[in-house]
Amino acid sequence: NAGVTQTPKFQVLKTGQSMTLQCAQDMNHNSMYWYRQDPGMGLRLIYYSASEGTTDKGEVPNGYNVSRLNKREFSLRLESAAPSQTSVYFCASSDRGRDGYTFGSGTRLTVV
Amino acid sequence: QKEVEQNSGPLSVPEGAIASLNCTYSDRVSQSFFWYRQYSGKSPELIMSIYSNGDKEDGRFTAQLNKASQYVSLLIRDSQPSDSATYLCAVNKGGTSYGKLTFGQGTILTVHP
Repeated sequence: NAGVTQTPKFQVLKTGQSMTLQCAQDMNHNSMYWYRQDPGMGLRLIYYSASEGTTDKGEVPNGYNVSRLNKREFSLRLESAAPSQTSVYFCASSDRGRDGYTFGSGTRLTVV
Repeated sequence: QKEVEQNSGPLSVPEGAIASLNCTYSDRVSQSFFWYRQYSGKSPELIMSIYSNGDKEDGRFTAQLNKASQYVSLLIRDSQPSDSATYLCAVNKGGTSYGKLTFGQGTILTVHP
């Protein structure tokens, strides 16, 4: 019962580099989400996908892009990393939003 | 005004006491409410959900919802040191926001022996 799997767990990037954070869930959930968590700011929604084939911006989408590759996988891409994107990134999924989320273990990203 | 507000704490209680965590929300159309527990360096874990006014009990945890006052709380009875964590309140507005949760900043709880 893997749940929600995120890779990588840790990453250090130089300013301007790009990378993709991967997320996969095996619970047959329809909806998937990307959040970032910063000290004093709580969890903030970057992008979400209500169902396969759809994606929408959240509260803080600037500097990010997403791809819902299939029902299982939802990736987050940083095209040109900036120090302000240093954060912990969480992927989550839900069958119906009413039932709450299952979170992945997170990716700790540092941009220098 | 923040959409979901929590007292960041830290809240310190002795072992065996009742810990009371509070959360207010600004949007009256909010429909679903959740409490997550997050240990340091770990991901949030869902511990309680509540949808209707009143109390909902699960083991040592009780969630309380008052939609008229736009207030949701979490009580932890017989607090244990293992309950020491950050507790996140989350709200789902429903409607076109269906599925998206808005989180409070979290309350740090410390249970001391």
